[in-house]
Amino acid sequence: DIQMTQSPSSLSASVGGRVTITCRASQTITNSLNWYQQRPGKAPRLLIYGASNLKSGVPSRFRGGGSGTYFTLTITSLQPEDFATYYCQHGDSFGQGTKLE
Amino acid sequence: EVQLEQSGGGLVHPGGSLRLSCAASGFTLRSYWIHWVRQVPGKGLEWVSRITTDGRTRFADSVNGRFTISRDDTRNTLYLQMNSLRAEDTAVYFCARDEGSGTPLDFWGQGTLVTVSS
Repeated sequence: DIQMTQSPSSLSASVGGRVTITCRASQTITNSLNWYQQRPGKAPRLLIYGASNLKSGVPSRFRGGGSGTYFTLTITSLQPEDFATYYCQHGDSFGQGTKLE
Repeated sequence: EVQLEQSGGGLVHPGGSLRLSCAASGFTLRSYWIHWVRQVPGKGLEWVSRITTDGRTRFADSVNGRFTISRDDTRNTLYLQMNSLRAEDTAVYFCARDEGSGTPLDFWGQGTLVTVSS
């Protein structure tokens, strides 16, 4: 089974700032990697699919990159509503999550 | 509008059973793969099970043999039957859809809390 390792587990940032979250796969997964945002008490929400494709309606300050085994989620110009937990996913494997605070 | 409406959670004793429902609106459930993902409060996401468009099911090792999935196409509803429940099954359970292997989980239910406790 492919394992997804996400880092860091938590991240401090400020409104207007920029952050990058990384996700590594235990073996190559080409670009089959998705990113989700989860706010407290809510279901996860798809942000990016296929490593770098923004879901319709998601702000362009969210950017996904990478391929093979290494992937990134970058958020620029942080807004108050971006402070949440982010997960990467491939198949039936999720990363451990990154809490942005 | 695409929606997945969940119901059926609650408190159950260890060894007991519970059935969760996931009712779809705005799309035909049998045209998508439907997954169950759970989350222990304060922890990360754990994939639990899925059913494909042609009815094939798969389960995580932690629930295999105890959980089953069924689908009622007339009600456009999916069910997760959970038997022999354990304390470690306590979690919020989400249903979510995708279009098949390698595609993202693009819509999620609101989640339902299952608490296994004596």
